[in-house]
Amino acid sequence: GESVGLHLPTLSVQEGDNSIINCAYSNSASDYFIWYKQESGKGPQFIIDIRSNMDKRQGQRVTVLLNKTVKHLSLQIAATQPGDSAVYFCAFKGSNYQLIWGAGTKLIIKP
Amino acid sequence: DGGITQSPKYLFRKEGQNVTLSCEQNLNHDAMYWYRQDPGQGLRLIYYSQIVNDFQKGDIAEGYSVSREKKESFPLTVTSAQKNPTAFYLCASSISRGSWETQYFGPGTWLLVL
Repeated sequence: GESVGLHLPTLSVQEGDNSIINCAYSNSASDYFIWYKQESGKGPQFIIDIRSNMDKRQGQRVTVLLNKTVKHLSLQIAATQPGDSAVYFCAFKGSNYQLIWGAGTKLIIKP
Repeated sequence: DGGITQSPKYLFRKEGQNVTLSCEQNLNHDAMYWYRQDPGQGLRLIYYSQIVNDFQKGDIAEGYSVSREKKESFPLTVTSAQKNPTAFYLCASSISRGSWETQYFGPGTWLLVL
């Protein structure tokens, strides 16, 4: 079945440094990818998305990179702040038009 | 304020009991979804509805049921057939039936079995 892998359960980053969170996806035909942020006990919040006709997209302090050759997706957070502490999920549009979710990476900010 | 509300925040179920989780949205979105999240895990799709009076099973629909009588509401019933219902349940919506992108999530409901 379709899946998301290649994730680290936890990532610790020094405050002020850049964070990079990675995902690998299984469906080479997928044309849509998305990142969500989930704070403890809350619902996920949309961060940024990207379509397959792009390889990079930037938002406010965040950048998503898509490498379709190796089916790899990454989220870069610039100048990580304490408020960035959360679990980050990547997801892609599967063959049945549903979102396929990864297991998430918990980002821990060290002071 | 526009958004998605879920109630209650915490719900307790006794063995053999059916419980219903509420989800309401005032975003005028056509599509709504229910996900289950187990601790430390990603989201798994239970049911989704692209339009009123229509819904489809997701990956883990067994032991759950839904209805979509109004555009704003998509309640989820956890039946006694669901043997391991303890989890965090998330409701989401998206703007149109073909728009799987950018799902907006509610705050979630914790379901605990006594």
